[in-house]
Amino acid sequence: DIVMTQTPLSSPVTLGQPASISCRSSQSLVHSDGNTYLSWLQQRPGQPPRLLIYKVSNRFSGVPDRFSGSGAGTDFTLKISRVEAEDVGVYYCMQATQFLITFGQGTRLDIK
Amino acid sequence: EVQLVESGGGLVQPGQSLRLSCTTSGFIFGDSAMNWFRQAPGKGLEWVGFIRTKTYGATTESAASVKGRFTISRDDSKSIAYLQMNSLRTEDTAMYYCALGAYSSGYWGQGTLVTVSS
Repeated sequence: DIVMTQTPLSSPVTLGQPASISCRSSQSLVHSDGNTYLSWLQQRPGQPPRLLIYKVSNRFSGVPDRFSGSGAGTDFTLKISRVEAEDVGVYYCMQATQFLITFGQGTRLDIK
Repeated sequence: EVQLVESGGGLVQPGQSLRLSCTTSGFIFGDSAMNWFRQAPGKGLEWVGFIRTKTYGATTESAASVKGRFTISRDDSKSIAYLQMNSLRTEDTAMYYCALGAYSSGYWGQGTLVTVSS
């Protein structure tokens, strides 16, 4: 199984400031079809998860452009350029290159 | 508008069964792979299983923790995916979500709560 490790696990951020979350996989996430199936999801309190980023760096429909994803191979990053109050929640990286799909432990983002 | 609605959750005793449904609309269900995930109270996300389209034989994959107990199926005529859960254990207590898509799960339902307790 591919193990996904996120850092930090908790991130207090000041409104309007940037935030960054890292995700490392235990093996390369490059699929045999050439794609890298690394996604980022946001889960606001009491809500289901919501897809933000797919295939490393593609923003999903309706996702604000302050969210961006980057990385390759085994190291990936989610960045929020300017944190807003609605960004509070838990963020997960998810790999679907290999079935079984696995998630990072989650990073809790809150406002200082 | 894409919609996924899970139903069928509830309180059951250990060893009993439940069947969850994921009723969908707003997209061509028959062309779509579907995933099931779960989230135990206060915990992170866990993948449960996946069903391919009929083009790929509607074959399934599942997590080791549920293999042999849970079965995923689909009814393309009704645009519904199912999760049949047998021999339920207390550790299966969780919110269960269905999600559209094989690799990126772009749309999720609101979830249905399954509680396994004596």
